[in-house]
Amino acid sequence: KAGVTQTPRYLIKTRGQQVTLSCSPISGHRSVSWYQQTPGQGLQFLFEYFSETQRNKGNFPGRFSGRQFSNSRSEMNVSTLELGDSALYLCASSRGQGGTDTEAFFGQGTRLTVV
Amino acid sequence: AQSVTQLGSHVSVSEGALVLLRCNYSSSVPPYLFWYVQYPNQGLQLLLKYTTGATLVKGINGFEAEFKKSETSFHLTKPSAHMSDAAEYFCAVSATGRRALTFGSGTRLQVQP
Repeated sequence: KAGVTQTPRYLIKTRGQQVTLSCSPISGHRSVSWYQQTPGQGLQFLFEYFSETQRNKGNFPGRFSGRQFSNSRSEMNVSTLELGDSALYLCASSRGQGGTDTEAFFGQGTRLTVV
Repeated sequence: AQSVTQLGSHVSVSEGALVLLRCNYSSSVPPYLFWYVQYPNQGLQLLLKYTTGATLVKGINGFEAEFKKSETSFHLTKPSAHMSDAAEYFCAVSATGRRALTFGSGTRLQVQP
């Protein structure tokens, strides 16, 4: 069974540009969450999508956005990149929403460097 | 709202010694609790989780954790450390039925030969 796939693994962008990251969840999983990991702030929740709808959102500026497609694949977009956006972006997929089915499987992440 | 505190950003143990990584949480609703491990340049791997039921939870690679509601703790233990256990460990909490995880700041475990 294939795991969570994130592409690309590494990315270098210039300040002011925008970037799109992709996440393919485990087959059959309908929930996709995104996290940002930095040395200073640790792991922070960005947002969660379930059945193409954003269900939860963390405390990030509007430059961070996402979407989910009908096949559950998700993309995350960051516009007007800032140096502080350099981070490891992790995607996690889960089978459903609610109840005790809360196990999240993480991808290997996309390492974004903003120069 | 939930929060997680991991005591000790770095823990060093000898190979074969007991591993104890501490996690305390706060949650306004019954929590779901998790321990994840992260190896360099990798994503997070779930070690174990507590949702409901038995408070002593066994996970992969010989790790276990005990949910103690009265102490709001969920400490991770392993009786005998192995060199391959060297990694960063994260405790996380989510509110019942919700997907968003709140992570602790992590504990880097070093295993000395």
